[in-house]
Amino acid sequence: AQTVTQSQPEMSVQEAETVTLSCTYDTSESDYYLFWYKQPPSRQMILVIRQEAYKQQNATENRFSVNFQKAAKSFSLKISDSQLGDAAMYFCAYRSQPYTGGFKTIFGAGTRLFVKA
Amino acid sequence: DTGVSQNPRHKITKRGQNVTFRCDPISEHNRLYWYRQTLGQGPEFLTYFQNEAQLEKSRLLSDRFSAERPKGSFSTLEIQRTEQGDSAMYLCASSPGTHSKNIQYFGAGTRLSVL
Repeated sequence: AQTVTQSQPEMSVQEAETVTLSCTYDTSESDYYLFWYKQPPSRQMILVIRQEAYKQQNATENRFSVNFQKAAKSFSLKISDSQLGDAAMYFCAYRSQPYTGGFKTIFGAGTRLFVKA
Repeated sequence: DTGVSQNPRHKITKRGQNVTFRCDPISEHNRLYWYRQTLGQGPEFLTYFQNEAQLEKSRLLSDRFSAERPKGSFSTLEIQRTEQGDSAMYLCASSPGTHSKNIQYFGAGTRLSVL
């Protein structure tokens, strides 16, 4: 079974600085998807960034980028120029291809990010 | 389109009572998912619907839990004979029928407190 591990329960960053959130996963599959979701306090979860395992190029979305190391099964999220609105719980998530692993998404335990003004 | 809607937002019930939650997905999405999230944890998958068919159920979904999606539109999640361990946030998500980057759109959740 696949697992997702986020080893940093909390992280803190100064506004305008850069922070990296760590995520490792375990799988025997070769084709899958990885995601970072953001869950602000008392608000719904939204997708931050997505990576397809067969793509070697790291995904980027404005100030958010990932470092995808497939062999190491590592998928870290870098947030550049941090803003107060980035403060939230961040979840790393794994999803199999439907034809191999069904339809569920497996989430890590999350990393709470604090942004200091 | 207002996104995924879940009702109620909060539910307080006594142990042993039955509760039902509703999820209205984004209108053109034919895939619907239920998750449970306990405090300080990530969401855990409960079940998946493609249109009206329930195609996958987690072992977390005990006999006291049942989900339906009549006519492939809204979905309901019912918990019978609630227990204190059922206290959690119940999240619904939907996604388009095509792969469409496999992105799931989440609702704000229903927070259940079992006293």
